[in-house]
Order: sequence, then C-alpha cells, then structure tokens
Amino acid sequence: EIVLTQSPDTLSVSPGERATLSCRASQSVSSNLAWYQQKAGQAPRLLISDASNRATGIPARFSGSGSGTDFTLTISSLEPEDFAVYYCQQRYSSWTFGQGTKVEI
Amino acid sequence: EVQLLESGGGLVEPGGSLRLSCAASGFTFSGYGMAWVRQAPGKGLEWVSVMSGSGGSTYYADSVKGRFTISRDNSKNTLYLQMNSLRAEDTAVYYCAKEAGHSRPFDYWGQGILVTVSP
Repeated sequence: EIVLTQSPDTLSVSPGERATLSCRASQSVSSNLAWYQQKAGQAPRLLISDASNRATGIPARFSGSGSGTDFTLTISSLEPEDFAVYYCQQRYSSWTFGQGTKVEI
Repeated sequence: EVQLLESGGGLVEPGGSLRLSCAASGFTFSGYGMAWVRQAPGKGLEWVSVMSGSGGSTYYADSVKGRFTISRDNSKNTLYLQMNSLRAEDTAVYYCAKEAGHSRPFDYWGQGILVTVSP
C-alpha cells in the first residue's frame, strides 16, 4: 500500500501570505496525485489533478507541482475562504489519502 | 449540474447492517466509476470501495473487505453500499464520489451521510 505523508499537520498563516503544503509518497506515484480542499462541515472539493492541473473553477492562486514521490500545493496569496484542511490523494495504485494539513489563521 | 445525494444512514448496533444509497444526476452515470469514501469524526478521508461504470470491477479497502458490498443500478442512476457486521470503527460520514475517469481523481462528491455504530 502506498502511504502518503503530508506536512506540516497544521500551517498557521495570515491572509495575503503564501502557503506551501507538502505531500510525500512512500513509492513513486508518477504524476497521479490530486489535491482536495475540505471546509468544516462540507464535502471535499477537487483542486488539482495530475499533480499540477487545476480543476474547473479553481482560482489561479492554487498551484501544484512535483512528480514521483514529492509533491507541493502552493496557495500564492491566502484569501479568508482558503482556511481549510487540504488532502492529497494518489490513484497510481489503489487509492490512498494523506492525513491532511490544516491551514489556519 | 452534477448532483450526488446520499441516503440511508443512521444509528445501528454493532453487528448490524445498513444500506446506503447515492442518487446521481447531471451526467451519464454508467460512464463513470463511483466510490464510497468515509471520514470518521475528527479524522481524515479513507476510501472504502470503488465500482467501475459497468459494474464489472469492484475494489474494497482491507478494513471493509468481506463485510461491505458495493453495487450500482445504472437504470436508476444509483450507487449502493451494503454494510454488514458493522463495528464501532465504521462510525463515519460516508461520501459518495464520482471518478473523473478511469484512474482519475474524484471530481464530484455528495454532501455525506452519517453512520453511527453504537449499542
């Protein structure tokens, strides 16, 4: 089973600042990695697929990068609505999610 | 507009059974794999089961294998999850999710339904 480890567990930032979230896979997942955003009491929302492709309607301040085992989600300038939990997920072999990174004010 | 609406959750005793349903609309249901993903209270996401668009392929997490059965009725645009031998650790919000394509991420999610396993 491929394990995804996200860091940090919690990221404290201020609105307007840049946020950088990391996801590391226990073995290569090529570019088969997605990022989701989940706000309290809501379902997850797909942000990024194939490591770097923004999903429909996702603002340009969200960007993804990486391949193989190391991936990054960057939020260039945090808006108030971006404070949430972010999960990475691989579909290279079966399905697994990372444990999540909470982005808080 | 894609919509996924789960139903069938509730309180059940350990060892009991429950069947979840997910009514889909807004897309060609038979053309896409569908999944159940759960989230225990205060915890992260865990994929539970996935079924291909035709229903010919099914996949289960080890934690539910042999106890849960995924199925779909493409004539009714509905996905199901039959949950047997329920345990306290199955307590979670269960989400129905649509795959964006084969080996693709989940691009649409339902609002989730709570399943509580407790005496």
